[in-house]
Parts: sequence; C-alpha cells; structure tokens
Amino acid sequence: EVVLTQSPGTLSLSPGERVTLSCRASQTVISNFLAWYQQKPGQAPRLLIYGASNRATGIPDRFSGGGSGTDFTLTISRLEPEDFAVYHCQQYGDSYTFGQGTKLEIK
Amino acid sequence: QITLKESGPTLVKPTQTLTVTCSFSGFSLANSGETVGWIRQPPGKALEWLALIYWDDDKRYSPSLSNRLTVTKDASKNQVVLTMTNMVTVDTATYYCVHSRWSPSLAFFDSWGQGARVTVSS
Repeated sequence: EVVLTQSPGTLSLSPGERVTLSCRASQTVISNFLAWYQQKPGQAPRLLIYGASNRATGIPDRFSGGGSGTDFTLTISRLEPEDFAVYHCQQYGDSYTFGQGTKLEIK
Repeated sequence: QITLKESGPTLVKPTQTLTVTCSFSGFSLANSGETVGWIRQPPGKALEWLALIYWDDDKRYSPSLSNRLTVTKDASKNQVVLTMTNMVTVDTATYYCVHSRWSPSLAFFDSWGQGARVTVSS
C-alpha cells in the first residue's frame, strides 16, 4: 500500500501569505497520479488538483500543484479567507490512498 | 453537472449491516467509463477509500474491508448501494459516494456527495 504523509499537520497563517503544503509517498506514485482536495468544516472534499499539477474545473489559479515521484506540493500563492480549510492528498496510481490531511488555520 | 446524494440510517447497532444508497444525476452508469465509489471519514480523521463499481459491473474493494463490503448498481435508477456487514463502533464515520472515470489518468474523484453520517452504537 502507498502510504502518504502530509506535513505539517497544522499551519497558522494570515490572508495574503503564500503557503506550500507537502505530501510524501512511501513509494513512487505511478505516473504522478496524485490529487489534492480541499475540505471545509461540515462539507465534502472538493477536487483541486489532479495529475499532480492540473487544476480542476473552476479552481482559481492561485492554487498550483507540483512535484513528482514521491514528493508533491500544493502551493497557494496568496491566501484568501475562504482558503482556510483542511487539504488532503490522494494517490490513484495503485488503488487509492489518502494522506492524513493538513489543516490551514487563520493566524 | 454531476450531483450525488447519499441516504441511509444515521444510527446502526453493533453487528448490524449498514446499507447506504447513492442517488446520482448528470451521468449514467450504463455508459462506458463511468464509475461510482465510496469513501468514509471517521470524525476528525483521514479519508479512507472503500469500494468502486464500474459501468460494466466490475468491482474493486479495499483489501482491509473486502470481506465486509458489497457494492451494487441499478443503472436504470441511477443508484448505487453499499452494504457493510458486522458493523462495529470504529465504523462510525461520514460515508461519501463519489464519481470517477475508468481511465487510469482520470481515476481521481471529481464529484462528491454531501455525505451520510453514520453512528454505530448500542
């Protein structure tokens, strides 16, 4: 099983700041089949990024995904108030596994 | 526009069987390449993939739960049903149904239902 480890567990930042979240895989993610989801309290997750770097439909360009192999990142270039949420990474190259999530909170 | 909605009991007793139904619109499971999956999330914890059913009735299950899970579809009704047997307290979670596609490069979950919260308690 591909284990995904996200870091940090929680981040406290202010609107307007830039942030990079990390997702590390225990083995190479096949074809970089890695996705990122955003989840707000009481809501279902929403797809942000697929294929490591492709934005889903309707996702603002302040969100960008990067990385390959075992190390992946999600960058938000300038935090908006609505971006404070939990972010999950997921690989779909070898069955499906999720990371434990990174909570982005307002400082 | 794809929409999915889960329905089922909010409370089940230990040892009982959970049955959750996903009703969807915006696509047809009779069409090649379409898939519906199930994911759960215990309170405050990580997401966990459970099962997937394909347009051709092929099925995939989480290895750790495969002996307890069954997923079926009724394409004519636009519904997918998940059953989980022998429920225990650690199965308390929100159960989501999701849409995906069969192509490996498109196998991410692009649409999610609102979730069905299930508590296992006597």
